[in-house]
Amino acid sequence: AQTVTQSQPEMSVQEAETVTLSCTYDTSENNYYLFWYKQPPSRQMILVIRQEAYKQQNATENRFSVNFQKAAKSFSLKISDSQLGDTAMYFCAFYPAGANSKLTFGKGITLSVRP
Amino acid sequence: ETGVTQTPRHLVMGMTNKKSLKCEQHLGHNAMYWYKQSAKKPLELMFVYSLEERVENNSVPSRFSPECPNSSHLFLHLHTLQPEDSALYLCASSLRQTSNEKLFFGSGTQLSVL
Repeated sequence: AQTVTQSQPEMSVQEAETVTLSCTYDTSENNYYLFWYKQPPSRQMILVIRQEAYKQQNATENRFSVNFQKAAKSFSLKISDSQLGDTAMYFCAFYPAGANSKLTFGKGITLSVRP
Repeated sequence: ETGVTQTPRHLVMGMTNKKSLKCEQHLGHNAMYWYKQSAKKPLELMFVYSLEERVENNSVPSRFSPECPNSSHLFLHLHTLQPEDSALYLCASSLRQTSNEKLFFGSGTQLSVL
């Protein structure tokens, strides 16, 4: 079974600064996908970024980038130039490749961006 | 707006009531999901439907009964719930039920069981 651990329950960052959210996972699979989802106060979960385990290059989406360390089973999210609209809960998720797989989420972290 | 609509947004019900949650997507997706989100716990997958066929029932009590009449609609019928069932229930859809597919979520139904 896979587990996803987000050990920090909440973080705070000053607007325009950079913040890193941590995530570790445990699996015996070699091929899988990792995701970060954002849940703002509107409650609608939105995909922020996706990483394929077979790719060594870290995924980047505008101000969002990941630091994927496969051997360490670590998948952190870096948010650069933080904006007030980044205030939300962030969930790390793991999805093994293959049929009938299911997405496993971490408990989430609450990020507050201070003006 | 992700294209997945859930109603109602809030629901308060007694333990003897029967109610239904509704989810609708017009994204042309073939897979739909019900998740339960409780405070300080990871999202829990409840049910998965692929091409209107239930492919996953994640040990959910029978007081939760899903229904998928077509690929655009998904229901969760509730009866004789318990207070511990109070949570945010999220619906999601994806193009196919494969591991690299992006999930599109609705805004959820916040359920309170009294």
